[in-house]
Amino acid sequence: DGGITQSPKYLFRKEGQNVTLSCEQNLNHDAMYWYRQDPGQGLRLIYYSQIVNDFQKGDIAEGYSVSREKKESFPLTVTSAQKNPTAFYLCASSIPQTGGLYGYTFGSGTRLTVV
Amino acid sequence: AQSVTQLGSHVSVSEGALVLLRCNYSSSVPPYLFWYVQYPNQGLQLLLKYTTGATLVKGINGFEAEFKKSETSFHLTKPSAHMSDAAEYFCAVSPLGDMRFGAGTRLTVKP
Repeated sequence: DGGITQSPKYLFRKEGQNVTLSCEQNLNHDAMYWYRQDPGQGLRLIYYSQIVNDFQKGDIAEGYSVSREKKESFPLTVTSAQKNPTAFYLCASSIPQTGGLYGYTFGSGTRLTVV
Repeated sequence: AQSVTQLGSHVSVSEGALVLLRCNYSSSVPPYLFWYVQYPNQGLQLLLKYTTGATLVKGINGFEAEFKKSETSFHLTKPSAHMSDAAEYFCAVSPLGDMRFGAGTRLTVKP
């Protein structure tokens, strides 16, 4: 079955460490997205990529970095510059050529906690 | 600019009662509208969507929503709540593929 796989499901980070969250999709979608979710704040866009080797900052990109070397993969690195990284992170993908007709497909999320 | 506003961050209903979750949108072009559901520690799952055509759309788990252009609304309803409906619900608008989400409404179902 096609879908999006996020790993790990739970991740713990020490102060000053960089950590990388994995997102892999086998839906053949061109576009991929990273969202951060905090209680009561809905989903906030961190980065998105419409095509391989290209990506754009979203609303809250500071302290995060991404790469898009393969169509299937869009890893997110939470750097030490992100002062409050504890949150639930969601990856999504879509077919941008349809103008949003089919919506987004989401992964099951990674919960990151700073210890 | 496109945006959605979900009225009420928390809604509580009794089992068997009507569920009504409110969503108003703003869009400069004809919108695509979506409702997603999220269970604890999971991703978002598509409940239903409006793109074109019939303004009353039916989704999974007995939910439906009506697109009202004159009111810029896309409220989600279910005639009879079930305990398994307890979750967080997100309304989203996507006029040109750039999806914008509301802040979410947490639905509690009391026995």
